[in-house]
Amino acid sequence: VQLVESGGGLVQPGGSLRLSCAASGFAFSTYAMSWVRQAPGKGLEWVSTISGNTYYADSVKGRFSISTDNSKNTLYLQMNSLSAEDTAVYYCAKYEGASYWNWYFDFWGRGTLVTVSS
Amino acid sequence: QSVLTQPPSVSGAPGQRVTISCIGSSSNIGAAYDVHWYQHLPGTAPKLLIYANKNRPSGVPDRFSGSKSGTSASLAISGLQAEDEADYYCQSYDSSLSGWVFGGGTKLTVL
Repeated sequence: VQLVESGGGLVQPGGSLRLSCAASGFAFSTYAMSWVRQAPGKGLEWVSTISGNTYYADSVKGRFSISTDNSKNTLYLQMNSLSAEDTAVYYCAKYEGASYWNWYFDFWGRGTLVTVSS
Repeated sequence: QSVLTQPPSVSGAPGQRVTISCIGSSSNIGAAYDVHWYQHLPGTAPKLLIYANKNRPSGVPDRFSGSKSGTSASLAISGLQAEDEADYYCQSYDSSLSGWVFGGGTKLTVL
């Protein structure tokens, strides 16, 4: 299994950015996927999940949108109305587990850094 | 303020045993949702250490063990090695938030 994130960078407050996660080594379309972030000096924070349905943390709801392109085995995160509080390393992660309430992240990417600053 | 509470730091000498606690509530760990643990070294991908409270993925040494009781869980690391120095996070699901939650993380220092 390999997950490789890209698309991070420096963006001004209020701006937008789209992250990508290229997946390989497993049947991408059959697994739920997620984005998790880590702000500087902070812990891990779940951001969003897609498994047919989509789920968002309250901190990003209405601003971020998660999607997949199964033909390209790629996960995306469209981030709009960005603020300094969104500055973080964003990780792509694959879910495993029988039921959504017991899902865990069995494989992670190395992350891509998003910096929101003027 | 994380939904799951972990000590900010723990430490131990090589060969010793340490435990890291993860305290939740009735809407997450206490609701019988599983607890999972991750090891994270800065600049690297987080690594799954324990899943479903007490299970180790292939390749994780049996020095690592997990347990859960009531509204809390614990990660134990025995026979501490220098390479164990890292950040450790617990994770579960929270029904009040309708989402997956992490502890604040614990920095393990091997003295």
